[in-house]
Amino acid sequence: GAVVSQHPSRVICKSGTSVKIECRSLDFQATTMFWYRQFPKQSLMLMATSNEGSKATYEQGVEKDKFLINHASLTLSTLTVTSAHPEDSSFYICSAINLGLNTEAFFGQGTRLTVV
Amino acid sequence: GIQVEQSPPDLILQEGANSTLRCNFSDSVNNLQWFHQNPWGQLINLFYIPSGTKQNGRLSATTVATERYSLLYISSSQTTDSGVYFCAVEGAGANNLFFGTGTRLTVIP
Repeated sequence: GAVVSQHPSRVICKSGTSVKIECRSLDFQATTMFWYRQFPKQSLMLMATSNEGSKATYEQGVEKDKFLINHASLTLSTLTVTSAHPEDSSFYICSAINLGLNTEAFFGQGTRLTVV
Repeated sequence: GIQVEQSPPDLILQEGANSTLRCNFSDSVNNLQWFHQNPWGQLINLFYIPSGTKQNGRLSATTVATERYSLLYISSSQTTDSGVYFCAVEGAGANNLFFGTGTRLTVIP
């Protein structure tokens, strides 16, 4: 299957700082990327959908000014958590699809964010 | 969005046993995928199965789209099968996946 790489896998940051998470499709062109959030022992919740070269579409209740998403190329999307607070601590996972092929989604390894 | 329910929520098996995990969804779907989330959080693709039956080694899956459910079969379970199994569906008119509630499987030696 296709490979999606997410970096960093784990990050600890101080409250008030910003953190950037990268999601790369290594062996295919990702026309669309998705960002999910997962709390302990819960399912994945979609945060936003990004298409290459256009603005991200955010799910209801997700603050777009807090979670900045950029999808500047067909292989890279970034999620920046701005002015992080302890309640932003979570597991963030990206996925990517190539609409030119099918809609099978492949996921990155996830990023565990801890805000102290 | 589409509602996705999985059952059972938790399952404990003796190594070597077989099991069936179920996924029910509330509306028509374009795509359905099964994933295994390992202890480190990585989601591993098991099946891309909007309809029909597929098999991969000890795992197989069947989706009956008209009746809005999918089944994942695990045969001769191994301790490495432990983890959380998610079903996720893509609704008509959207490309994002809605995840089910998950089944936490524990295989004991």
